[in-house]
Amino acid sequence: DGGITQSPKYLFRKEGQNVTLSCEQNLNHDAMYWYRQDPGQGLRLIYYSQIVNDFQKGDIAEGYSVSREKKESFPLTVTSAQKNPTAFYLCASCNGGNQPQHFGDGTRLSIL
Amino acid sequence: RKEVEQDPGPFNVPEGATVAFNCTYSNSASQSFFWYRQDCRKEPKLLMSVYSSGNEDGRFTAQLNRASQYISLLIRDSKLSDSATYLCVVNDGSASKIIFGSGTRLSIRP
Repeated sequence: DGGITQSPKYLFRKEGQNVTLSCEQNLNHDAMYWYRQDPGQGLRLIYYSQIVNDFQKGDIAEGYSVSREKKESFPLTVTSAQKNPTAFYLCASCNGGNQPQHFGDGTRLSIL
Repeated sequence: RKEVEQDPGPFNVPEGATVAFNCTYSNSASQSFFWYRQDCRKEPKLLMSVYSSGNEDGRFTAQLNRASQYISLLIRDSKLSDSATYLCVVNDGSASKIIFGSGTRLSIRP
């Protein structure tokens, strides 16, 4: 079955630590996205990538980094510079403009 | 003005009722429109695309009004299982500019 897989489902970060969230898709989609959702809030775009080896900052990129070395994979690193990382992180992909996004089932990140 | 705006609700309606909510967008060049459903602590899931002529999927009807720049979602004969947050999504045609509304919370009571 085609889809988007995020892991882990739950993640705990210690102060000063960088953590990496995984996102893999086998839908052959070109574009991939990372969103952050805080309780009772909408989705905010962190980073997106339209093609391998290229990515762009979204609205709240500070304290995060990404890479896109393979079409299938778009990992997100939450760095120690992100002072308020507790949130629900959603990865999505789509096949270009005018197509709907498909989401992974998310990673919940909390501070220890 | 936000690029995409939704009434946050909550809309609290009895089972079997018809409920409708709108989503306004500011970019007149927007080309594609979607409704997503998000259950508590879950990822958004595509409910339906919104086509220019309007479209229906069972109890759900989506409409697009380009002149007034809004899309709407109508749910007929609402079920308890329809309780969720409904997100509208607007795209200007490029993969880089996909805007999510903040969502409208719907609660169906028995």
